[in-house]
Amino acid sequence: GAGVSQSPRYKVAKRGQDVALRCDPISGHVSLFWYQQALGQGPEFLTYFQNEAQLDKSGLPSDRFFAERPEGSVSTLKIQRTQQEDSAVYLCASSLNGFGNTIYFGEGSWLTVV
Amino acid sequence: GIQVEQSPPDLILQEGANSTLRCNFSDSVNNLQWFHQNPWGQLINLFYIPSGTKQNGRLSATTVATERYSLLYISSSQTTDSGVYVCAVRRDSSYKLIFGSGTRLLVRP
Repeated sequence: GAGVSQSPRYKVAKRGQDVALRCDPISGHVSLFWYQQALGQGPEFLTYFQNEAQLDKSGLPSDRFFAERPEGSVSTLKIQRTQQEDSAVYLCASSLNGFGNTIYFGEGSWLTVV
Repeated sequence: GIQVEQSPPDLILQEGANSTLRCNFSDSVNNLQWFHQNPWGQLINLFYIPSGTKQNGRLSATTVATERYSLLYISSSQTTDSGVYVCAVRRDSSYKLIFGSGTRLLVRP
């Protein structure tokens, strides 16, 4: 597609529920990133993929967070047993490669845990 | 880690006014991007500008990498320019973008 596409755009989850957020990067982009943005804050890095390889997951806040990109294209961010502090906008981004290229962001998935 | 500071945090302008937004960073970088974050949360690319000057319509940006700052200029502001302007940098040999906390701009008619 023309841009980075994310779904769902909005998700309300009950505390303890599992959620899955999907990202379709720009076609041909090798690098894919997930960021978390809390209200009033700048985005914080979660994880990075180069093709299907997850090269960095140092930003994932707990072992309840899991991301995958099995075929090097679409990626899914999964949050198990959601907590209220997980409420945030989850932003996916892609670039041609990991260095020295413009990074393009999707519209984000707004997660509210009640 | 690298620190990114943006100023001012909030700015209110009358339509037609000019403004300058600033981004300071604490270490050398090889990538700097300016984004406009719309009310729905999407980060829209404005400039990829690790150094030098670029212009796009009423917007222009200058990065002086040796002095570790970047400036975003908005001329003849319009109400549609309202939103949050975010600066993000990336260090050499790193793929992580580090974001500033943004400048919230409101342009009044």
